[in-house]
Amino acid sequence: SAVISQKPSRDICQRGTSLTIQCQVDSQVTMMFWYRQQPGQSLTLIATANQGSEATYESGFVIDKFPISRPNLTFSTLTVSNMSPEDSSIYLCSVEYSKETQYFGPGTRLLVL
Amino acid sequence: LAKTTQPISMDSYEGQEVNITCSHNNIATNDYITWYQQFPSQGPRFIIQGYKTKVTNEVASLFIPADRKSSTLSLPRVSLSDTAVYYCLVGDATRSQTGANNLFFGTGTRLTVIP
Repeated sequence: SAVISQKPSRDICQRGTSLTIQCQVDSQVTMMFWYRQQPGQSLTLIATANQGSEATYESGFVIDKFPISRPNLTFSTLTVSNMSPEDSSIYLCSVEYSKETQYFGPGTRLLVL
Repeated sequence: LAKTTQPISMDSYEGQEVNITCSHNNIATNDYITWYQQFPSQGPRFIIQGYKTKVTNEVASLFIPADRKSSTLSLPRVSLSDTAVYYCLVGDATRSQTGANNLFFGTGTRLTVIP
C-alpha cells in the first residue's frame, strides 16, 4: 500500500484568492489523480497528473482554474484559482498503486467565504 | 463510458450479511470493478477488486456474473464500524494516461448498521 499525506488538511479562504494543495506519497508512483467531493456527494475526477507530462483534465475542469504540478514521482500540487464559494469542497489526491487500485489521501477541506 | 448505479442507502442490523449491488451496463472489456469504503472526513479506502466470477478477501466478497453488467459486494456479519458509504468504481486507470476518463465514482451507498 501507499501512505499519502495532504497539506493543508483544511482552510478557510476569501473569494478571489488561490490555494495550493500539496500531495505527498511515500513511494514513487506513476499516476496521481485529483478529485473533488462536494458535501454529501460522490467523488468527481478533476484531472490525472503524470510526471513529465501535462495534466489531463476532465470535462468541466480547466487548467486555468485548477493548475496542477507534478515535479517528481512522489509529489503533486493542485491550485484552486480565483476561488468562489462554489469551490467549497473536499479535494482529494489519489495514486494508482497496482492494477487500477487507488489509494487516497485524507483530503483537504476547503471553505470559501 | 462505464458509469455505475447503486442504491442510495441501506440499513442493516449488526451481525447480518449485507449485499450491495452495483449496475454497470456499459462496462468495457478491460475494465476492473473496484469497491471502496469511505468514512466521514476520510478519503475512500480500497475494499476489494475483481474482473469476473467471485473474489474473496478478509473483509468482503465480490460476486460478478458472467456478463459483468453488475456486481455485488457482500459484507459478512456487519458491525457498527461498517457504517460508511460504499462506492463501486468501474474503469481502467491506465487509459487516463491518454486522456480518456474512465474513473467514475457512482453515487455510493450509505450503509447504516443498527445495533
